[in-house]
Amino acid sequence: DTAVSQTPKYLVTQMGNDKSIKCEQNLGHDTMYWYKQDSKKFLKIMFSYNNKELIINETVPNRFSPKSPDKAHLNLHINSLELGDSAVYFCASSQDVSANYGYTFGSGTRLTVV
Amino acid sequence: GESVGLHLPTLSVQEGDNSIINCAYSNSASDYFIWYKQESGKGPQFIIDIRSNMDKRQGQRVTVLLNKTVKHLSLQIAATQPGDSAVYFCAENAGSNYKLTFGKGTLLTVNP
Repeated sequence: DTAVSQTPKYLVTQMGNDKSIKCEQNLGHDTMYWYKQDSKKFLKIMFSYNNKELIINETVPNRFSPKSPDKAHLNLHINSLELGDSAVYFCASSQDVSANYGYTFGSGTRLTVV
Repeated sequence: GESVGLHLPTLSVQEGDNSIINCAYSNSASDYFIWYKQESGKGPQFIIDIRSNMDKRQGQRVTVLLNKTVKHLSLQIAATQPGDSAVYFCAENAGSNYKLTFGKGTLLTVNP
């Protein structure tokens, strides 16, 4: 069983569309994250949720809206997609909000906006 | 070979050589550090971690060294193998920030 699974793995869409990426973890972790990795491989945090509560909301356009229906799921919805949104998006989870035990990452969703 | 991280440099080594990947971290309050390995098309994978009350920690073929005085972290890989080819990231946790902050990564290429 995959510990942190995200779908889809690849997403190609046109500018202006709305899309969602889903993430699920079966590790029993309390905290989940979304990171964005740009073309230079730089990983930047976007959001974190602890047991369905928003903890971190970095400077991200409000076109990005995370939703956590329960602590095992954290989805990312993106409205009005722009070319600059093209990147690889990683979901991750950690044992608790302190992040003092590291993260387990999903395999990523490569988003291409055309 | 040796490489300084944070600018996605490339470190190229011969199979069987030892590799050293360096990372300078920014936050003097950081108390937990991790090295991650990211292979092409995959998510980052945990390699080894170290807490600020230690200077050195060893795993299987890997060693992490922490120098808090100069805020420097290094990853040593012994007898580097082609399967070690990947991008390596250091990450720090300042505790109160509730997140890991990642360095820019170093691309390690192992030549057979």
